[in-house]
Amino acid sequence: AQKITQTQPGMFVQEKEAVTLDCTYDTSDPSYGLFWYKQPSSGEMIFLIYQGSYDQQNATEGRYSLNFQKARKSANLVISASQLGDSAMYFCAMRRANAGGTSYGKLTFGQGTILTVHP
Amino acid sequence: NAGVTQTPKFQVLKTGQSMTLQCAQDMNHNSMYWYRQDPGMGLRLIYYSASEGTTDKGEVPNGYNVSRLNKREFSLRLESAAPSQTSVYFCASSGAGPTLAKNIQYFGAGTRLSVL
Repeated sequence: AQKITQTQPGMFVQEKEAVTLDCTYDTSDPSYGLFWYKQPSSGEMIFLIYQGSYDQQNATEGRYSLNFQKARKSANLVISASQLGDSAMYFCAMRRANAGGTSYGKLTFGQGTILTVHP
Repeated sequence: NAGVTQTPKFQVLKTGQSMTLQCAQDMNHNSMYWYRQDPGMGLRLIYYSASEGTTDKGEVPNGYNVSRLNKREFSLRLESAAPSQTSVYFCASSGAGPTLAKNIQYFGAGTRLSVL
């Protein structure tokens, strides 16, 4: 079974500073994908960044980067230069893949971290 | 560019009533999913459809039924609503490319359901 753990119920950061949101996972699958989603107060789920288990480099998407440490089973999200609009709930999620690398599709989510950016 | 569209956005039901949540995607995705979000528990998968014509149970399927009407549409039905089904429901869809990078799930805006 897969499990995602986000140990920080809430985080605070000053505008323009960087913040790291923690995510650890547990799986016995050799191939999997890790995702981060943002959920603002309006409620929609917005895809941010993806990391494959066999990717050699950490993923980056603009101000978002994923600090992937496979041996420690962690996939922390780093947001650089925080903005007020970054205040939201952030979810880490995992999807298993078969040996061919295609996806079974189902996402397992963590409980989320509420990020508050202060001016 | 609609993406994933869910209707209705809000619904209040009485215990025992039935209703169907509708979901449609215009991204030509093969796979579609229904999740529920409860406070402090993240999102949990109710049912999914890997491709048109197939459906499978997820983590919390009890009390729900689904129909993959065609490639675009995937509906979720509550036959006899219970207060425990008060939640926010999300529909999602994804492609079926050869790599995980092609299979990002895109979500609808959600349906907020209250069962009294």
